[in-house]
Order: sequence, then C-alpha cells, then structure tokens
Amino acid sequence: ILNVEQSPQSLHVQEGDSTNFTCSFPSSNFYALHWYRWETAKSPEALFVMTLNGDEKKKGRISATLNTKEGYSYLYIKGSQPEDSATYLCAYNAGGTSYGKLTFGQGTILTVHP
Amino acid sequence: GAGVSQSPSNKVTEKGKDVELRCDPISGHTALYWYRQSLGQGLEFLIYFQGNSAPDKSGLPSDRFSAERTGGSVSTLTIQRTQQEDSAVYLCASSGDFYSNQPQHFGDGTRLSIL
Repeated sequence: ILNVEQSPQSLHVQEGDSTNFTCSFPSSNFYALHWYRWETAKSPEALFVMTLNGDEKKKGRISATLNTKEGYSYLYIKGSQPEDSATYLCAYNAGGTSYGKLTFGQGTILTVHP
Repeated sequence: GAGVSQSPSNKVTEKGKDVELRCDPISGHTALYWYRQSLGQGLEFLIYFQGNSAPDKSGLPSDRFSAERTGGSVSTLTIQRTQQEDSAVYLCASSGDFYSNQPQHFGDGTRLSIL
C-alpha cells in the first residue's frame, strides 16, 4: 500500500500571509509527483508535475520543491489571497507497472481570510 | 477548447439498481482515468485506460464495478446492484500519453447518492 501523507490537514491564514504545506511519499520507485488545486464546486486543476530530484516549479505566487531521496515535496504560496482558498492535493506516481496510477494524499484545506 | 465532460452531474438511485456514469475526455487525449471520493476520504483511483492497451482495473473495489472505453474516446463506468457505500463523487480525468508525465484534466464529477 502506497502512503501519501499531507500536512497540515487544514490551515487558516490572513490575506497577505505566505504559507507552505508538505506532501510526503515513498522514496522508492519514484516516477512523478503531481500537485492539484481543488476549489469548492469546481474540478481539480493541475498546478505542477514534478519528476526530478531538486526540481523547483513556479506558477505566479505558487511554487513547489521536490526531494525524491527523502520523499517529500513542499508547496509554497506567497502573499495568500482569498481566491487561493481551496484544497491542495498531491499525488504520487510510482511508475513501473502502475504508470497511469496516481495515489492521492488527503489534501490540505487552505482558507485565506480577507 | 472543451474540457472533460461528465454526465449526469447528480444521480440519486435506490439500493440494488444499476447505474451508468459517462465521461467524455478532451479530444486527442489517449489516457482516461476514473477516481472516486467518498465522504471524508481522499481521491481513490479506480481504473485507467491508455490507448489500445488493456486497462488497469486494479482500483475497482468489487466485481460490481466495470468500465469500458469505446473507440478510444468516451468511457462509461457501470456499477451493478448499487450499495449505500457506493455513494461518492465519481471523477473522470484525461491526459496525453501518461508516460510523458502530463497533468491530468478533471471533469466536474458525478455525485452519486444511493438511498
């Protein structure tokens, strides 16, 4: 059983605060790590697909880093805005015989207060 | 362009009935995935299709669940003899060739309620 853990489970921040959360995954058989944002009443939206150890990706105020040797990824949001409120999901792909199979974490629910 | 389309958006049915959920992927996407999210749970993988290869059915929870993908495009997830524990949001996603690590594009889901 592949264990993908996200922390914290939920987070409340004030508008303008910077924040970060963690995704941990098995460090063996790594193929890719995905990040998605899921807003209420919408469909999950892809943020990043990360494949290389030490990878760092950025999209506007959101960035992510990857450490495949120790099995974790961080997602950072700089200067949070109310529209950033959503559930942030990471998903691990072990590759091998499971190329198409993503194992999702439970998500981090972010609420940004104006 | 058009995104992933799922129908119906909501389905309420009685225990024991069969249901069919439909997914229309993004045109040209060769990979198609089904997930579900039960209340209080994370997204759970059910099945994926990649081109003409045999689907990976390893996530289907029981033999009451089946899925097919006709003509490499539209997919139908069928649940026979529904049980209350089948109540969940069923999400479909599609992507280009998954070997190239492309992100998955999700539909809005079907909310299934079993009475």
